[in-house]
Amino acid sequence: GAGVSQSPSNKVTEKGKDVELRCDPISGHTALYWYRQSLGQGLEFLIYFQGNSAPDKSGLPSDRFSAERTGGSVSTLTIQRTQQEDSAVYLCASSSAFSSYNEQFFGPGTRLTVL
Amino acid sequence: RKEVEQDPGPFNVPEGATVAFNCTYSNSASQSFFWYRQDCRKEPKLLMSVYSSGNEDGRFTAQLNRASQYISLLIRDSKLSDSATYLCVVTGNTGTASKLTFGTGTRLQVTL
Repeated sequence: GAGVSQSPSNKVTEKGKDVELRCDPISGHTALYWYRQSLGQGLEFLIYFQGNSAPDKSGLPSDRFSAERTGGSVSTLTIQRTQQEDSAVYLCASSSAFSSYNEQFFGPGTRLTVL
Repeated sequence: RKEVEQDPGPFNVPEGATVAFNCTYSNSASQSFFWYRQDCRKEPKLLMSVYSSGNEDGRFTAQLNRASQYISLLIRDSKLSDSATYLCVVTGNTGTASKLTFGTGTRLQVTL
């Protein structure tokens, strides 16, 4: 079946511009997560959505970062006034409420380069 | 101190070798533990969950020591296809949605 999809796969932008990254989770998965992976760094949690509950935003690095999840499905991560340190691979994952051990399925990521 | 610490490697081993990776975590309240595998420029994928009783999946064995806050992964009879980065992962909750906390990964290169 279809996995998690993300778009665009690559994004090059200039410092100071806003970017939007999109994630389509696996159909029926109630939980959706955003992580980022910088060169030489581990995956860093950003935000997650679980059903209709308020999102856990504890990992967002600054108020330039925000995310929405519309209709309990597609999510958009927005970075305003991008900085060079925002360059990373942004990974989206989803999981099912019926998973006994919270297996998260990752999308292929969006590689963001801020010039 | 990082929440999850791993030896970054790389571990270079010949085919057929046995290799072990270790990981320590700092949050004693952590509930669930996993090993994920990440191939170069690909997304992470779940390799196996880790239980206190230890668990085995083919050539892979994972162990958890809660008292020492230590997790291990043993790979027997290494194959070329095992070459990847292995990520140690912990989470606060069992079952329900919860953020994953990743180590920086241990890179394995299996050679002929």
